[in-house]
Amino acid sequence: TQLLEQSPQFLSIQEGENLTVYCNSSSVFSSLQWYRQEPGEGPVLLVTVVTGGEVKKLKRLTFQFGDARKDSSLHITAAQPGDTGLYLCAGGNNNAGNMLTFGGGTRLMVKP
Amino acid sequence: DAGVIQSPRHEVTEMGQEVTLRCKPISGHDYLFWYRQTMMRGLELLIYFNNNVPIDDSGMPEDRFSAKMPNASFSTLKIQPSEPRDSAVYFCASSSRLAGASDTQYFGPGTRLTVL
Repeated sequence: TQLLEQSPQFLSIQEGENLTVYCNSSSVFSSLQWYRQEPGEGPVLLVTVVTGGEVKKLKRLTFQFGDARKDSSLHITAAQPGDTGLYLCAGGNNNAGNMLTFGGGTRLMVKP
Repeated sequence: DAGVIQSPRHEVTEMGQEVTLRCKPISGHDYLFWYRQTMMRGLELLIYFNNNVPIDDSGMPEDRFSAKMPNASFSTLKIQPSEPRDSAVYFCASSSRLAGASDTQYFGPGTRLTVL
């Protein structure tokens, strides 16, 4: 069974601070996706990384896939209250169809 | 496209009653997933279908839960009889494995179930 562990589970910071969320596994994944979920809604895809060592940037968000494709990180620069939400990482495996393994999530609160 | 549609958005029922949750996936998607989300256990995969066929139901908690996908545009998740510990938000998601498509899952807004 493939497992993804996210840390921290909860994070409360002030507007303007930087933060990093981690997603770790002992298993190799074909791809790693990050989703954000806002209250009352379903998760929405932010980014997909597929190559070991890959770095993708989405405005103030930087995503990195580990060289061995077992871990990933999400870094937010100058966090804003609009970044508040639940961040989920999800690993994909070409041998498992379109099934994804989701991490437990990081609940982020950015205070104005 | 309207996205994944789930109904009802909220359901409050009494213990022992039957509950049916409904999902309409995005047109053309060949994968459909049912998840349950709670604060304690996070997002759990219950079952998923490919081309209307159940592929993996190992996440279904027990025999009280059943899911069907009679056609490509409709799926149901049924709980009978319901218990208070079934209270959670249930999500349906769909994705496509067609050539050129990623395995991105598109989630519906969820059904918040409360069993009293």
